[in-house]
Amino acid sequence: SQQGEEDPQALSIQEGENATMNCSYKTSINNLQWYRQNSGRGLVHLILIRSNEREKHSGRLRVTLDTSKKSSSLLITASRAADTASYFCATASFTGGGNKLTFGTGTQLKVEL
Amino acid sequence: DGGITQSPKYLFRKEGQNVTLSCEQNLNHDAMYWYRQDPGQGLRLIYYSQIVNDFQKGDIAEGYSVSREKKESFPLTVTSAQKNPTAFYLCATSTGGRETQYFGPGTRLLVL
Repeated sequence: SQQGEEDPQALSIQEGENATMNCSYKTSINNLQWYRQNSGRGLVHLILIRSNEREKHSGRLRVTLDTSKKSSSLLITASRAADTASYFCATASFTGGGNKLTFGTGTQLKVEL
Repeated sequence: DGGITQSPKYLFRKEGQNVTLSCEQNLNHDAMYWYRQDPGQGLRLIYYSQIVNDFQKGDIAEGYSVSREKKESFPLTVTSAQKNPTAFYLCATSTGGRETQYFGPGTRLLVL
């Protein structure tokens, strides 16, 4: 089952602009992760935020987590054409659900020159 | 993708045929996973294994089978019972079920 739902489904911006994508989920989580996928390739892990954290940074990436709203956002600052990819959130359940991640449907980001 | 190899890159299946997708890792990770991705869609879990000689069904296990005889290897067989096998198949590993997953480059399965 798909727990995470990303919004928007697709996003097109100009190089240098910031890109924000959101993820909503339904059940209590242990952590939430963001992954990137270039067309036709495997996924690459970007960042993991635990349920007791509210914000995390990694380079040009900023992730926030609001457990009361069951939502997370990924901000990419000063975007580049090379950031063009699909971005997925994945959740690890706090209890039950097995030892596995549940992936969302993804946001397709296109950064134009 | 480093440390995880999937072969072949492209695989063609004929009607009624079983085919096996290979996944090998040298990361010494205990957990391994198989996902299916359809065009423009997210990942759906087929099977996963937390330890050698043990595996569990994911959300869409029907028509698929796996084995985990070695820590390094987790092959996926797409059986003739899977009526719509055309998809992109991704293998992943992790040190533990809730932690970061590392993905292979994927195998694209097409039906002739």
